[in-house]
Amino acid sequence: QVQLVESGGGVVQPGGSLRLSCAASGFTFSNSGMHWVRQSPGKGLEWVAFIRSDGSSRFYEDSVRGRFTISRDNFKDTLYLHMNSLRTEDTAVYYCAMIPYGDPDYWGQGTLVTVSS
Amino acid sequence: DIQLTQSPSFLSASVGDRVTITCRASQGISTYVTWYQQKPGKAPKLLIYAASTLQNGVPPRFSGSGSGAEFSLTISGLQPEDFATYYCQHLNSYPPSLTFGGGTKVEIK
Repeated sequence: QVQLVESGGGVVQPGGSLRLSCAASGFTFSNSGMHWVRQSPGKGLEWVAFIRSDGSSRFYEDSVRGRFTISRDNFKDTLYLHMNSLRTEDTAVYYCAMIPYGDPDYWGQGTLVTVSS
Repeated sequence: DIQLTQSPSFLSASVGDRVTITCRASQGISTYVTWYQQKPGKAPKLLIYAASTLQNGVPPRFSGSGSGAEFSLTISGLQPEDFATYYCQHLNSYPPSLTFGGGTKVEIK
């Protein structure tokens, strides 16, 4: 069955960096575009970034563009989110998700990133 | 960018009630709407995709309808485990991105 497992969250100071990983299994990862979605404490869901199946194109939400980089390793079936210049407002649970058109989608369990001094 | 407006944002109901949550899009989006249920500390759980297709394993008391710019999620006979927050979502084709509704919290009356 499809599994997405995030890791790499933790506590980091403002201005710091962190790399999140999402290990995928149960489907052909190299054929699937992938998203990162976040949820700040007590708030709704917010899309963060998307990468095409072959990594050829990447798209970002305005507030993270230039600070975050989405990438993937199709040999390792792993998605990444490199986060630089972190701000307190980036504090959230970060989810990776595979969301195809017109078909069921799949989410990981999330990893918590806390940006605090 | 397409906006999704959910209403109500908060709903108080009793076990056994029929409840309906609405999601309005800022422009027509065919039937590309997904509904999720989320409980505290958990990832969103897929309930309905393509506006009205029930995900495998989801109880049939959940149903979705709509097309164009107005969509709804109905729970027919609310159960104790249904008290949660519900979100609608649209997958934008270009640039590829996700738009979420603001959420509807369903609480016990």
